[in-house]
Amino acid sequence: QVHLVESGGGVVQPGGSLRLSCAASGFAFSSYGMNWVRQAPGKGLEWVAFIRYDGSDKFYADSVKGRFTISRDNSRNTLYLKLNSLRAEDTAVYYCAKAFHAAAATPDWFEFWGQGTLVTVSS
Amino acid sequence: QLVVTQSPSASASLGASVRLTCTLSSGHSSYAIAWHQQQPEKGPRYLMIINIDGSLDRGDGIPDRFSGSSSGAERYLTISSLQSEDEADYYCQTWGADTVVFGGGTKLTVL
Repeated sequence: QVHLVESGGGVVQPGGSLRLSCAASGFAFSSYGMNWVRQAPGKGLEWVAFIRYDGSDKFYADSVKGRFTISRDNSRNTLYLKLNSLRAEDTAVYYCAKAFHAAAATPDWFEFWGQGTLVTVSS
Repeated sequence: QLVVTQSPSASASLGASVRLTCTLSSGHSSYAIAWHQQQPEKGPRYLMIINIDGSLDRGDGIPDRFSGSSSGAERYLTISSLQSEDEADYYCQTWGADTVVFGGGTKLTVL
């Protein structure tokens, strides 16, 4: 049974930083690409970033490129998202999501989702 | 530009059927899309992928009363025998050119 559990959210001032984690279990984590998707309060879903199964390639939405960094530790079955230079518009629930196909080379489909962690950017 | 468009809201009665629509932008009518369900205060759940030929890849544990179909640039999600727990937001999603796009979501109300 696949489980994805996000953590690390909280309140941070504009310009600040935060690191989110996603603990994965129930599948061969090291064989699957992983994603971060966010949802601003009362809004829809927005894809944020993707990392290949081996960490060799990463893709970002234009809205976060240069400020956010996705990474993974396959020995710990954990996905990360480092958020820098945070802005009010980054306030959202951040979800991690497992890619559908093993060894996916680019972001495509999301097969399982976590429950999310809330990031609030406010002074 | 790859875009998927959804109606903001839909409603149907308990026990009835409802069809939700996702429309692909011009030039992208051959793309497959996925449907995701988000119940209130929960994370999304993958429902299915619908291909241009109408073939489906339904998620594990998704009941048969959730079905999909395709016509031209439109992809449909039909939910039959509506239950109260089907009241949720439904998002369609596709991908291309190293990015992912979501529709704005359809809020389904079960009357």
